[in-house]
This record gives sequence, structure tokens and C-alpha cells, in this order.
Amino acid sequence: EADIYQTPRYLVIGTGKKITLECSQTMGHDKMYWYQQDPGMELHLIHYSYGVNSTEKGDLSSESTVSRIRTEHFPLTLESARPSHTSQYLCASSDHRLPYEQYFGPGTRLTVT
Amino acid sequence: AQSVTQPDIHITVSEGASLELRCNYSYGATPYLFWYVQSPGQGLQLLLKYFSGDTLVQGIKGFEAEFKRSQSSFNLRKPSVHWSDAAEYFCAVAHTAAGNKLTFGGGTRVLVKP
Repeated sequence: EADIYQTPRYLVIGTGKKITLECSQTMGHDKMYWYQQDPGMELHLIHYSYGVNSTEKGDLSSESTVSRIRTEHFPLTLESARPSHTSQYLCASSDHRLPYEQYFGPGTRLTVT
Repeated sequence: AQSVTQPDIHITVSEGASLELRCNYSYGATPYLFWYVQSPGQGLQLLLKYFSGDTLVQGIKGFEAEFKRSQSSFNLRKPSVHWSDAAEYFCAVAHTAAGNKLTFGGGTRVLVKP
């Protein structure tokens, strides 16, 4: 079944650790996005990609980085986690034929202690 | 700059009663508008969208929304709420000239009373 997956769903980690949040989609979508969502707040776009080897910064500045080596995979990395990175991270994808219809994964809730 | 405002942070409604969620947008061109629903611990699911044409759009789960250009609004409605509709609802506008990016409102949390 075509879907978008995120792992881990929950992560509690100590300050200074390097982490990678995984996002994969099986829908063949060329565009992918990362959003950050604090509890009870709106989503803010932090990264997006138009396709393989394409990555762009979003509207909200983030210390995270992303890569797009394969169409279906769009991982997000934090080199050194800090408590200020505690948030929910949502991955989404869309097809270039329907670019505004974004499909979301279940999210990763990150807590940095 | 584009923006989306959802004036109601929380709404409590009785099961079986009608529901209306407000959304106002600020956008210089013809907006592409969306409503998403987020159940606890889940990602966002697209309920409905407006691109052009009929200003009353139907979505999934019995929801509908009406685009009113004169009021810069895109309110979401459901005639009869079910307990499973308890969730957070987000309105969004697409940046048609800026790489398909979505700007989201702050969300409205809907609580359903038995």
C-alpha cells in the first residue's frame, strides 16, 4: 500500500547526541517536506526537496540538515541535539501533478533532555 | 506575506450537533485553500481543498467548506458531529508562486461531548 513512513515515532535522547529522523514514501512522489510542530501550535516548514539532490531551507530556520539521495527517502539529521530541538517533526510528500496536495507521515516526537 | 488565522483555539461541541470552524487568510493572489485534520499522535490528513470553481467544496468524513472571497474566509462545517471527529483541525493556504509551500493556521482543537 502506498504510504509515507516515519521512524522512530518517539525518541528521547540526551543533549549533544547526533540523531537522524527517517522519512520514506512509497507513492513515487517527487516533492518532499519536513515540518516542525510544537505542541498545540501550527506547522512550520523547515526543509523541502523538489527531487533527488535538491534540498531547500523552509520558512523557519532550523539547525537540522536534510539529504535526498533517493526519491523515496528524505532523512533529517541533527548533529548535536539540544533541548530547544524538542518538538514534533512531520514529513510530507506531494506529486508534481498535484503539488499542493501534501500527504503527511505520522510524525516523530523528539524530546531532548 | 501570506498568513492564515484560526480565531478559535478550542471548540467544544455535543455529539450530533453542528460544527463550524473559522479560517481567515491573507494572500495577494487567488488562494489555494485546504483543511487538514490531525488526530492525537497522528500526522495530518487532507479533508478538502479549494482551487477554483464552486465555492462550496465537499470533503471526506462529511465535511464541507465554503470559500468567501469578500470575507477572505474558508470556514469548515459539519452538520452532525461524531465522537470520532475530536481532533485538531488546520486550515492552510498554498504559496502558488513559491514552490508549493503551505502556510498553516494555528489550529482549532475540537472536543466532542457525549
